[in-house]
Amino acid sequence: DVKVTQSSRYLVKRTGEKVFLECVQDMDHENMFWYRQDPGLGLRLIYFSYDVKMKEKGDIPEGYSVSREKKERFSLILESASTNQTSMYLCASGSLALSGANVLTFGAGSRLTVL
Amino acid sequence: AQTVTQSQPEMSVQEAETVTLSCTYDTSESNYYLFWYKQPPSRQMILVIRQEAYKQQNATENRFSVNFQKAAKSFSLKISDSQLGDTAMYFCAFCNSGAGSYQLTFGKGTKLSVIP
Repeated sequence: DVKVTQSSRYLVKRTGEKVFLECVQDMDHENMFWYRQDPGLGLRLIYFSYDVKMKEKGDIPEGYSVSREKKERFSLILESASTNQTSMYLCASGSLALSGANVLTFGAGSRLTVL
Repeated sequence: AQTVTQSQPEMSVQEAETVTLSCTYDTSESNYYLFWYKQPPSRQMILVIRQEAYKQQNATENRFSVNFQKAAKSFSLKISDSQLGDTAMYFCAFCNSGAGSYQLTFGKGTKLSVIP
């Protein structure tokens, strides 16, 4: 089974702290994504990466950055956390090469609370 | 830009009954993919079913089937013989096909409750 593992299920941080959310996949997928999920807003794309060291902004990149130094790992960074970044963060990976469509496999999610 | 609309924020269905979740989308592309994802309470999002736009035949996966109406840009999900384990958020999603088509656009979701 494809596995996408997010390092933390629940985090509580203080305003202004630097936050790292880690995501690792084990199926050699070239594409990785970070989404933010909020009630009534669905999933919104923050950043994605289609190759090592490559990154593209999604719909809501402000206040976030990402890092992809290895193919299997994609990190989301909040340089200075704010209360409006309290949310559920979902990591996903996918491969166009395997199926012709970017079928995504999701991690379990990281629920971040910023106080 | 593509948009995906799920007009039913919440629905409920009796166990063993059939329910249909609606999804419409807007695109100027002719080739694309459509998906339904399921997110059970406090659990991982998983793929339920997918449809390729160039295929006229509606996709089916066991109790799950879609009604794909390309001209109307409609992609509804039918769940037959509903089970308690079908209780979840359901998200409709759209993706262009072809090289460089990375992004999925998701609807806001429909919360389905299956009632015993």
